[in-house]
Parts: sequence; C-alpha cells; structure tokens
Amino acid sequence: QQPVQSPQAVILREGEDAVINCSSSKALYSVHWYRQKHGEAPVFLMILLKGGEQKGHDKISASFNEKKQQSSLYLTASQLSYSGTYFCGTERTGGGADGLTFGKGTHLIIQP
Amino acid sequence: KAGVTQTPRYLIKTRGQQVTLSCSPISGHRSVSWYQQTPGQGLQFLFEYFSETQRNKGNFPGRFSGRQFSNSRSEMNVSTLELGDSALYLCASSLAPITGLNTEAFFGQGTRLTVV
Repeated sequence: QQPVQSPQAVILREGEDAVINCSSSKALYSVHWYRQKHGEAPVFLMILLKGGEQKGHDKISASFNEKKQQSSLYLTASQLSYSGTYFCGTERTGGGADGLTFGKGTHLIIQP
Repeated sequence: KAGVTQTPRYLIKTRGQQVTLSCSPISGHRSVSWYQQTPGQGLQFLFEYFSETQRNKGNFPGRFSGRQFSNSRSEMNVSTLELGDSALYLCASSLAPITGLNTEAFFGQGTRLTVV
C-alpha cells in the first residue's frame, strides 16, 4: 500500500521553509527520499532507518518516527533549486520482498 | 563515471505487441530495480534484480517480466501491451540491494512508452 504524502503541492517564496510528510499504515523499516525535477530522473536525497533517526544534508533534513510510521522532510530557507517533486519510498518491516513503495509525490514550487 | 543508461528513450507500440526495455547500470553496481511512473499513480515498483536473481517484485501482472545478465545489465519485457501500460519506465542501479541496506540508488532518464 502506497504511503501518503502531504501536502500534494506547495508554493513558497525563496527563503521560506517547507515540511513534507510521508505516512504509512504499515510498520516501516526504512524511508527513502528522492527529488525529481521536471523531465529529469529522480535524485537521491537520503535514507532513514528505523530507530527514529534524523539526518541532514545542507539545508535539507528529515526525521523518521517509526512508532507513528511517519517521516518528515524539512527544507529550510528554500532556494529556487529546491523546486521539484519530492517522493518518499518506504520499505515495510519484514517486507523486503515487496521492494520500495513510493508515495504519489509532493510538488514544490519555489518562487523568487 | 557514466550514469545509468536506458534505451530506447522513446517508444511507440501498438496494443497487443510486446516490448523490451534495456538498462545499463553504473559500473560496479550489481542491483537494478525497475519502476513505472504515471501522473496518476506516481512511482510504482516493478521488480529488483541483484546478481542476476530477482530479489523482489511489486504488484504487477505477469505480463511484466525482467532479467539481469552477468554484466549486471537488465532488461524488462512487457507482453500483450495494453493502453494502460503507457508510462515512463525508470530503472535505478545501486551497489547493494535497494532494500534492507542503507543504499543510495541512481536513476536513469527513463524510457517513455506510448501504447496506441
């Protein structure tokens, strides 16, 4: 079952912050985050494993709450280059045979 | 180093035909996974191959199949094409299996399949 991403779309001004959420109805082992720009291939952002860890890369960070089966992606002081569609991919606990299940994506538009 | 290469980039097929798509992973990568991307459903996992063995499979009919060769190149085959198979097919390669390990996947540009 696909994880649910929210919001579906968001428009921000450069410099504003954004939060993208990813929720699953199943117990999760890991959450993968990717960004895809229009007409391009998805690009890896980060992976979070169960254990409630947080990760960060430049001004993009994420958290994973395995008890709530939720992950959030935080983009601070957004830049024009952050525009694109963000996907979370989840691997459920004991579900390696299912592969990664991706959400439908969150469209992020950063305006000058 | 070269990225993930998918061929062809664009393909138009007729309903009922079959199609084979190719994916050449990054040198040294042994895992190749395939995805179908459509506006309505987003990215959907098809299957993953690691060291020539299918490791896992998504919820797709048996018309979708794949294989991996000893050089890690992978092909995906769709038989008896339906209009609903029109989509962007992406493959991704990684050093280790994409699930179960802390592994970054690198995506190709995709093959745009149109079924008419």
